[in-house]
Amino acid sequence: GIQVEQSPPDLILQEGANSTLRCNFSDSVNNLQWFHQNPWGQLINLFYIPSGTKQNGRLSATTVATERYSLLYISSSQTTDSGVYFCAVCRRGSTLGRLYFGRGTQLTVWP
Amino acid sequence: GAGVSQSPSNKVTEKGKDVELRCDPISGHTALYWYRQSLGQGLEFLIYFQGNSAPDKSGLPSDRFSAERTGGSVSTLTIQRTQQEDSAVYLCASSLVGTSGGGSDTQYFGPGTRLTVL
Repeated sequence: GIQVEQSPPDLILQEGANSTLRCNFSDSVNNLQWFHQNPWGQLINLFYIPSGTKQNGRLSATTVATERYSLLYISSSQTTDSGVYFCAVCRRGSTLGRLYFGRGTQLTVWP
Repeated sequence: GAGVSQSPSNKVTEKGKDVELRCDPISGHTALYWYRQSLGQGLEFLIYFQGNSAPDKSGLPSDRFSAERTGGSVSTLTIQRTQQEDSAVYLCASSLVGTSGGGSDTQYFGPGTRLTVL
């Protein structure tokens, strides 16, 4: 398989602060997705980003495929950003579609 | 809505009973995946269906687990003779083309079925 490591495991912020979440992976990938798992357990797609940079409102993500890492930036955090953020990858060259997930970053934003 | 739907949302069963979990993928999506999320194991892959091809069953934890996909759409995950370690949230996802294009496209997840085995 492919190893996916996320850091930090836990992050506590005051509302309005910025944060950076990191995802390291052990092999070449053709799919990298960032998800936010809300308190009801739903996995919400944030980005599909096997390489490059994308932005969506207060969130942006960058994947440096050659160095095997991705970063998720959250700016001006809000209490509704709380939850677990997962990074998941699919190994390049695999004919199988499975995603390998990291253990997640638990984000808590206080008002 | 247009998202992936799953039923039931919650299922409580007794050890040894069989259960069936249902997934309705996004209309037009050819690829369908099952994962499960448990406290000890995190999120792990179970099975992948790509169009009419034979499914990739390599993630199924035991022969008590099986899945089928009828008509290239709805899928059912069946767990026979449930055990307490089967307690988890079972998540279904779908994507437009899966790996048929040589890559791997965005997977969209359903709300999950929380299975509790007493």
